[in-house]
Amino acid sequence: IAGITQAPTSQILAAGRRMTLRCTQDMRHNAMYWYRQDLGLGLRLIHYSNTAGTTGKGEVPDGYSVSRANTDDFPLTLASAVPSQTSVYFCASSDGTGGTGELFFGEGSRLTVL
Amino acid sequence: GQNIDQPTEMTATEGAIVQINCTYQTSGFNGLFWYQQHAGEAPTFLSYNVLDGLEEKGRFSSFLSRSKGYSYLLLKELQMKDSASYLCAVMDSNYQLIWGAGTKLIIKP
Repeated sequence: IAGITQAPTSQILAAGRRMTLRCTQDMRHNAMYWYRQDLGLGLRLIHYSNTAGTTGKGEVPDGYSVSRANTDDFPLTLASAVPSQTSVYFCASSDGTGGTGELFFGEGSRLTVL
Repeated sequence: GQNIDQPTEMTATEGAIVQINCTYQTSGFNGLFWYQQHAGEAPTFLSYNVLDGLEEKGRFSSFLSRSKGYSYLLLKELQMKDSASYLCAVMDSNYQLIWGAGTKLIIKP
């Protein structure tokens, strides 16, 4: 089934540890995104990539890094996790950059930092 | 600053009609999206409006007034499975999506 796969689905992490959330899509979409979703707030963009080899900062990039070595994969790394990074993280993709294409979301990764 | 406002929670009865409003103030406008998100699941696309007027898609319709910075999502013949959060998002002049906090819709029998 085509779509976006995220891993892990859930993780409890000690503060200060490094963590990478994985995201893979098989739709050959150019654009990929990482969002965090917190109760009472809208989805907030962390980082994005308009095409393989390029990345950009979103609204809340501090403490996170991404890479886009190929079209399919877009991992999100927390170099040294802090409790404020406890959230649900969604990876998404779209088939256009700066266009009107809908976003396709992964199932989310629930991260708890203690 | 940029802002999307939508009610936090609404309650409706199965079989009825409900309208979820969204008002926005953004730097430019390149379209408005509605997404549905069931609890614990990923958002899924419902509709896209870039021109004024009503777009109908089955039981769901979405309306846009750009001059008023206003949209609504209309759900007809409500079913229990429509219980979910409905997210309004606007694409600004930089083609970045600005998201509302979502409206939790509770359907009662």
